[in-house]
Amino acid sequence: AQSVTQLGSHVSVSEGALVLLRCNYSSSVPPYLFWYVQYPNQGLQLLLKYTSAATLVKGINGFEAEFKKSETSFHLTKPSAHMSDAAEYFCALNQFYFGTGTSLTVIP
Amino acid sequence: GAGVSQSPRYKVAKRGQDVALRCDPISGHVSLFWYQQALGQGPEFLTYFQNEAQLDKSGLPSDRFFAERPEGSVSTLKIQRTQQEDSAVYLCASSTGTVAGKSTDTQYFGPGTRLTVL
Repeated sequence: AQSVTQLGSHVSVSEGALVLLRCNYSSSVPPYLFWYVQYPNQGLQLLLKYTSAATLVKGINGFEAEFKKSETSFHLTKPSAHMSDAAEYFCALNQFYFGTGTSLTVIP
Repeated sequence: GAGVSQSPRYKVAKRGQDVALRCDPISGHVSLFWYQQALGQGPEFLTYFQNEAQLDKSGLPSDRFFAERPEGSVSTLKIQRTQQEDSAVYLCASSTGTVAGKSTDTQYFGPGTRLTVL
């Protein structure tokens, strides 16, 4: 069975603070993992993806994620939140399986 | 020839009506995917095409849902006898890849069609 769990449907951070969005997965095959961002009235846009090369993956807009097999996790981080980061974030496994999303609010 | 486009962007249907949702993928993309996204949820896989072949339709919720891609480019998702539970955003995505379900290929998503069934 393959599934994705995103802990925290809503996360609020202050502008300039660390962003941490959590994603755990369950997969019967070696996983490929993705983070997408969705702005209002727009399609999902790829932030970054893990393809079994490097475990620390850097993406667009200063985001990065670390694949930890022992913890079955692929958490998304950004050192300093910007107002423009406010959006919905989705973790996905093996292309088809999406989490329920985390809505990020950035407080000025 | 920018990204994936979908039409209509918004559709209101009365319960029992048939609807057709269109997806224009990025030119040359082999793979095309349909997802259903209910309010407050993540996208749920519906079906996948490689060129004109529908290789996986395991996510279609009932036989009222039908998808086609006859010439390997534009795709149409049809829902017959719509029900209120069909209300959702329907997302289309395309990619260059030829191996779905276990692929690192980036999916490019359209803006979606918001279907409301009254």
